[in-house]
Amino acid sequence: DAGITQSPRYKITETGRQVTLMCHQTWSHSYMFWYRQDLGHGLRLIYYSAAADITDKGEVPDGYVVSRSKTENFPLTLESATRSQTSVYFCASSDLVNTEAFFGQGTRLTVV
Amino acid sequence: AQSVTQLGSHVSVSEGALVLLRCNYSSSVPPYLFWYVQYPNQGLQLLLKYTSAATLVKGINGFEAEFKKSETSFHLTKPSAHMSDAAEYFCVLSNTGNQFYFGTGTSLTVIP
Repeated sequence: DAGITQSPRYKITETGRQVTLMCHQTWSHSYMFWYRQDLGHGLRLIYYSAAADITDKGEVPDGYVVSRSKTENFPLTLESATRSQTSVYFCASSDLVNTEAFFGQGTRLTVV
Repeated sequence: AQSVTQLGSHVSVSEGALVLLRCNYSSSVPPYLFWYVQYPNQGLQLLLKYTSAATLVKGINGFEAEFKKSETSFHLTKPSAHMSDAAEYFCVLSNTGNQFYFGTGTSLTVIP
């Protein structure tokens, strides 16, 4: 299916565990983004990538790691999950031609 | 510096009444502006976009927005609210397609 997909949709993990959220897009968009959505804060940028092997920090990168070895994939890893990382995470992609961002369905992560 | 301000985190309207969601922006370069809608437990869906062509932009589901440079505004309107319009709405600014700046969102309630 064409589009942008995130997995898993829901995840519960324990404090201190490593967890990886997956993001896959089928459009070959250059740019990919990870956001977290929290009540009262809207969407905040965690990391973004301009192309394969090029990543950069956003507004709230601490505690997160990203990689982009292939254009279509942009996984987000929480190296040691904390309760403050309980949130809804959205992956998005865009290309400069269309200019808008396309969003995945989100991953609801709960850290207990 | 780029920023987006959405006035009113919660807006309630009666079914059939005018919907007006306010958005003001700050940008040092000509902006691209977007309105996204988020239904519960879903990702963000593009409603409409302004990319420096016509200042009055029509989107899906009967929504439209007018870009007013003199007022640095991009308010979203719909003449007649429907129950299905109840959702969270985000005003978003982009300067080149590789950085997106989100407002904190406006939750729209439609009263039957």
